[in-house]
Amino acid sequence: RKEVEQDPGPFNVPEGATVAFNCTYSNSASQSFFWYRQDCRKEPKLLMSVYSSGNEDGRFTAQLNRASQYISLLIRDSKLSDSATYLCVVSAYNQGGKLIFGQGTELSVKP
Amino acid sequence: EAGVAQSPRYKIIEKRQSVAFWCNPISGHATLYWYQQILGQGPKLLIQFQNNGVVDDSQLPKDRFSAERLKGVDSTLKIQPAKLEDSAVYLCASSPQGNYGYTFGSGTRLTVV
Repeated sequence: RKEVEQDPGPFNVPEGATVAFNCTYSNSASQSFFWYRQDCRKEPKLLMSVYSSGNEDGRFTAQLNRASQYISLLIRDSKLSDSATYLCVVSAYNQGGKLIFGQGTELSVKP
Repeated sequence: EAGVAQSPRYKIIEKRQSVAFWCNPISGHATLYWYQQILGQGPKLLIQFQNNGVVDDSQLPKDRFSAERLKGVDSTLKIQPAKLEDSAVYLCASSPQGNYGYTFGSGTRLTVV
């Protein structure tokens, strides 16, 4: 079983749509959670951290359910510029702070 | 602030040849990571350095891959001999400490033919 598993993609949505990505992780010692964004042929970049109480950054909302070991990302009012691969990432202190990445979910927003 | 520098950007080699990648982390970042990203997959950690010491190399194929971080700054990742399945993007990242402040370099795209 992979440490971090994400919805298989790709997701093809029209502009303005709301899209949700789901992710599960297997290490119950995981303590830090993130969503990264990776544009085609570019390096991953931090989109947002995910906090236990849930958090929002503009059109993006992240949720964490520690009991279910589940993380989600909601994008409202999708823009063409949101087209990218979204990577679910976890980290555990007992793993030296390294980031463990999911396989990514590709999003394509169409006009 | 200067980012994480990697070179070369692209490399094409034949199988069984050797190749080396270089990374210069952000100044002052104690932790340096090398990741391998195969097309369609997420990055996979190969090795983690804390200053010039190895913290985790459990997923590094040590029969063919080696890495060093002399003087706790620059790092080099080597593959010898390369296999077709080593075709991937090799990403270097650094952080001041732990999992926050992670910054990735733009990567080296390796094609083994």
